[in-house]
Amino acid sequence: QVQLVESGGGVVQPGKSLRLSCAVSGVTFSSYGMHWVRQAPGKGLEWVALIAADGTSLYYLDSVKGRFTISRDKYTKTLYLEMNSLRPDDTAIYYCANQKDGLDHWGQGTLVTVSS
Amino acid sequence: IQLTQSPSSLSASVGDSVTITCRASEGISRYLAWYQQRPGKAPKLLIYSASTLQSGVPSRFSGNGFGTDFTLTISSLQPEDFAIYYCQQLNGYPLTFGGGTTVEIK
Repeated sequence: QVQLVESGGGVVQPGKSLRLSCAVSGVTFSSYGMHWVRQAPGKGLEWVALIAADGTSLYYLDSVKGRFTISRDKYTKTLYLEMNSLRPDDTAIYYCANQKDGLDHWGQGTLVTVSS
Repeated sequence: IQLTQSPSSLSASVGDSVTITCRASEGISRYLAWYQQRPGKAPKLLIYSASTLQSGVPSRFSGNGFGTDFTLTISSLQPEDFAIYYCQQLNGYPLTFGGGTTVEIK
């Protein structure tokens, strides 16, 4: 059974940093691209970042380029999102998802609140 | 690539058939997926490659389209189908989602 479990969310002041983690099980981690998608309170889905299966290609939403870094650890089967210079409009539930055909499996999400 | 979904919301009864449209600002071949999101839950993949049903998804869901115009049809709505539906293009970066369509009980 495929499981993705996010952690690391919380309340943080503007300008500060946070690192999200996504632990993956039940699937061959190294075979799939991995994504972060966020959803602001009461809003729609917004794609944030992708890391290719082999970790060599990275893609970002324009508004997070230079502030967020996606990475993965094939040994611990964990996906990360390092978020720096956080802004109030980064407030959202952050989901991780793996890509086989579409975004096939999603975690339950972790809430990040950026507020002073 | 911008995705425009219509309608933004609709009301329907159990047993009705509904169709949601997703229009891309430029051609995306068949690189389109549809997701369902129930309140308080993560999105769930329904359809990929515009028309391929994800494993385990009921056959009352169907997708169609190519290029810029796509549809998701739910035939014979069931109570568990009342949710928000999103399209997503996977043709180019940044990946984008449509604004969502809320399917409500009439």
